[in-house]
Amino acid sequence: GQNIDQPTEMTATEGAIVQINCTYQTSGFNGLFWYQQHAGEAPTFLSYNVLDGLEEKGRFSSFLSRSKGYSYLLLKELQMKDSASYLCAVTTRGGSTLGRLYFGRGTQLTVWP
Amino acid sequence: NAGVTQTPKFRVLKTGQSMTLLCAQDMNHEYMYWYRQDPGMGLRLIHYSVGEGTTAKGEVPDGYNVSRLKKQNFLLGLESAAPSQTSVYFCASSYGTSGRSSSYEQYFGPGTRLTVT
Repeated sequence: GQNIDQPTEMTATEGAIVQINCTYQTSGFNGLFWYQQHAGEAPTFLSYNVLDGLEEKGRFSSFLSRSKGYSYLLLKELQMKDSASYLCAVTTRGGSTLGRLYFGRGTQLTVWP
Repeated sequence: NAGVTQTPKFRVLKTGQSMTLLCAQDMNHEYMYWYRQDPGMGLRLIHYSVGEGTTAKGEVPDGYNVSRLKKQNFLLGLESAAPSQTSVYFCASSYGTSGRSSSYEQYFGPGTRLTVT
């Protein structure tokens, strides 16, 4: 089976930096996605990692260590609009699970002024 | 492009009633998915399809059926609704066939909020 773990809640202040961690135990790991979901809305794609290292995209960066089964999403210069749930999801290679994403339960981030 | 659309947006059912949720995508995606999202539970996969005419079970398939008669549409049916099926239902789609894992990025519809009383 797949086991994906991330903190339930985090808080931070506007302008700060926050790191949301995700650990996973999965067979046939083939990539990790981060999605953002505002309350009452659909998840939207933020980032994708398949190789070890850091992927930077504006204020958001995502890091992956395949050997440690670990990823983090780094949000810089936090804004109020960053208050949302952040979902970590892994994809696996081959067989009957090809194309599936296995989601963690999400981390609810609240940004205070 | 409309992307992924879902019909209806809201619905209230009585226990035992049936209904069908419709998902449509205009991105020519091969793969389509139905999830439910409940507080504290995250997204759980109900059924999915890797191409027209195919379906497969996800984590929580009981009480639901699906059909993929056309590539652009994926239908989710509840034959006899139960209060435990009160949830927000999301449809998603992905390219899925290029062999690159990035092609499994999923695009989500706006969701259907279903209440079963």
